[in-house]
Amino acid sequence: DTAVSQTPKYLVTQMGNDKSIKCEQNLGHDTMYWYKQDSKKFLKIMFSYNNKELIINETVPNRFSPKSPDKAHLNLHINSLELGDSAVYFCATLGLGNEQFFGPGTRLTVL
Amino acid sequence: KQEVTQIPAALSVPEGENLVLNCSFTDSAIYNLQWFRQDPGKGLTSLLLIQSSQREQTSGRLNASLDKSSGRSTLYIAASQPGDSATYLCAAHGNQFYFGTGTSLTVIP
Repeated sequence: DTAVSQTPKYLVTQMGNDKSIKCEQNLGHDTMYWYKQDSKKFLKIMFSYNNKELIINETVPNRFSPKSPDKAHLNLHINSLELGDSAVYFCATLGLGNEQFFGPGTRLTVL
Repeated sequence: KQEVTQIPAALSVPEGENLVLNCSFTDSAIYNLQWFRQDPGKGLTSLLLIQSSQREQTSGRLNASLDKSSGRSTLYIAASQPGDSATYLCAAHGNQFYFGTGTSLTVIP
């Protein structure tokens, strides 16, 4: 069983489209994150949710909207996609010992 | 704001060598420091987590140390193997997680 899963693994879309990335975890952790990894492999936090509530919202365009329907899911919806949104997006959870667990990533390519 | 730096950016060693990867951070007010491994096209795999009250953690051939006062952590890999080739990332956990830019390790058979 995969602890943190993301769908889709790859997403190729045109500029201006709206798309969603889904994240699911079966670890029972309360805190979940979205990260963006750019072409230089730099990882930057975007959002943090604790028990379905938004805790951290870094300087991210409001075209990005996270949604947590329940504790096991944290989805990322992106409106009006731009070329600069091309990156790998990672979902992660935080365990009791403050250890992070990452999903496999979603590679988004905006054409 | 916390800044995390990893040196070197890339490292190439022959199989069997011992090596040290470095991670430095500017704000010592952290809860813990976590080391990850990332293989090409894959997610991050946690290697070691050092709580702020600890000095080091060991797992197999890996040993991570933490010196909060000097803002440094090291990851020591003993008897390196080709399968260790990957990018190694450190993350300092303060009010949020701050990642370094990684060290790309290649172990040559």
